[in-house]
Amino acid sequence: EDQVTQSPEALRLQEGESSSLNCSYTVSGLRGLFWYRQDPGKGPEFLFTLYSAGEEKEKERLKATLTKKESFLHITAPKPEDSATYLCAVRRSGGSNYKLTFGKGTLLTVNP
Amino acid sequence: NAGVTQTPKFQVLKTGQSMTLQCAQDMNHNSMYWYRQDPGMGLRLIYYSASEGTTDKGEVPNGYNVSRLNKREFSLRLESAAPSQTSVYFCAIPGGPDFTGELFFGEGSRLTVL
Repeated sequence: EDQVTQSPEALRLQEGESSSLNCSYTVSGLRGLFWYRQDPGKGPEFLFTLYSAGEEKEKERLKATLTKKESFLHITAPKPEDSATYLCAVRRSGGSNYKLTFGKGTLLTVNP
Repeated sequence: NAGVTQTPKFQVLKTGQSMTLQCAQDMNHNSMYWYRQDPGMGLRLIYYSASEGTTDKGEVPNGYNVSRLNKREFSLRLESAAPSQTSVYFCAIPGGPDFTGELFFGEGSRLTVL
């Protein structure tokens, strides 16, 4: 069974204090790892897709990286508007083509 | 969220009542999905529809039925609501013409079953 574990569950940062969120995964044949951002009361918003170990993607203050066992979402000099829950999900090769397995998320709070 | 419209946004039911959650998309995608999100749990797929007229079970289909009457609309029905179905329900479509894992979610329907 595919598993996605995100840590920490919650993270408080001061504005400008860089840090990383972790997503550890177990999947039989990775066909993609996905990061989403979710604001309170809203649906998740897609951020990145990573397909293979060593791949990196960047968007503004966010950078996602991937190894064979985990992914990191690095947040550089965060601002209060980066406060949200960040979700990680994996898609396996074979099996149901439409199934994503999501982690429980990391709640990030950035204080001004 | 432009592209996916869910109704209602909020609903309170009593145990045993029935209701239908509606989802409509204006992106002309073939596939549509229903997820539920519970505190302390990840998003879980209830049902999906790969194309008009087809539906398939996801991880947690028990207690739900779905209908894909046309390409635009995908509804989720609770025939006899139970407190365990208290959740936030999200409808989603692919971010592009084909499913790659990128999903575009609606704003959610918050359901409480008393």
